[in-house]
Amino acid sequence: GAVVSQHPSRVICKSGTSVKIECRSLDFQATTMFWYRQFPKQSLMLMATSNEGSKATYEQGVEKDKFLINHASLTLSTLTVTSAHPEDSSFYICSARDNTLNSYNSPLHFGNGTRLTVT
Amino acid sequence: DQQVKQNSPSLSVQEGRISILNCDYTNSMFDYFLWYKKYPAEGPTFLISISSIKDKNEDGRFTVFLNKSAKHLSLHIVPSQPGDSAVYFCAASGGTALIFGKGTTLSVSS
Repeated sequence: GAVVSQHPSRVICKSGTSVKIECRSLDFQATTMFWYRQFPKQSLMLMATSNEGSKATYEQGVEKDKFLINHASLTLSTLTVTSAHPEDSSFYICSARDNTLNSYNSPLHFGNGTRLTVT
Repeated sequence: DQQVKQNSPSLSVQEGRISILNCDYTNSMFDYFLWYKKYPAEGPTFLISISSIKDKNEDGRFTVFLNKSAKHLSLHIVPSQPGDSAVYFCAASGGTALIFGKGTTLSVSS
């Protein structure tokens, strides 16, 4: 089945540094990828929609200058948390939908997530 | 404002019995609903879905029921197995992205 690979799975960084998270669709192409964030015992909150070859679309309240998204190819999207602070510590998950399947009514495939801890 | 609600944070069931997980939504524009299962430290995996034109979809031990008038859906797992213990997320779509509920932690004891 479709697989989404996310790397790294866990990262600890110091406050003020930047962290890049990669999301790859391994056996399908995805013009659109989605980045979610999950706080403990909370829902997965959509942060932004990453569009291949164009700018990402951010949800209300998400700082685009802080969470930089690049979707350089049909199989790779990256999320860079810039100047990270302890409150950015969270579980970040990417997801993608197979282009070849019909419309938006096909399930998203998720990466295994990245646990970010900012000290 | 939560558009997708899973009001029960946890559910405990004995092995072999039925597990029923509930989900309510508020947005009448949602037309596609999905259930995802999530183990700790892993991403969610797709379980089963249902379109708004149907009221039931079955896949093996998993059945999803949709009541559009009540804006309610439920996931039935029967018989429940210890390996089903996980967090279950209900999700709804009216466009490209999914809106998730907060999840229900299911514990199946043997």
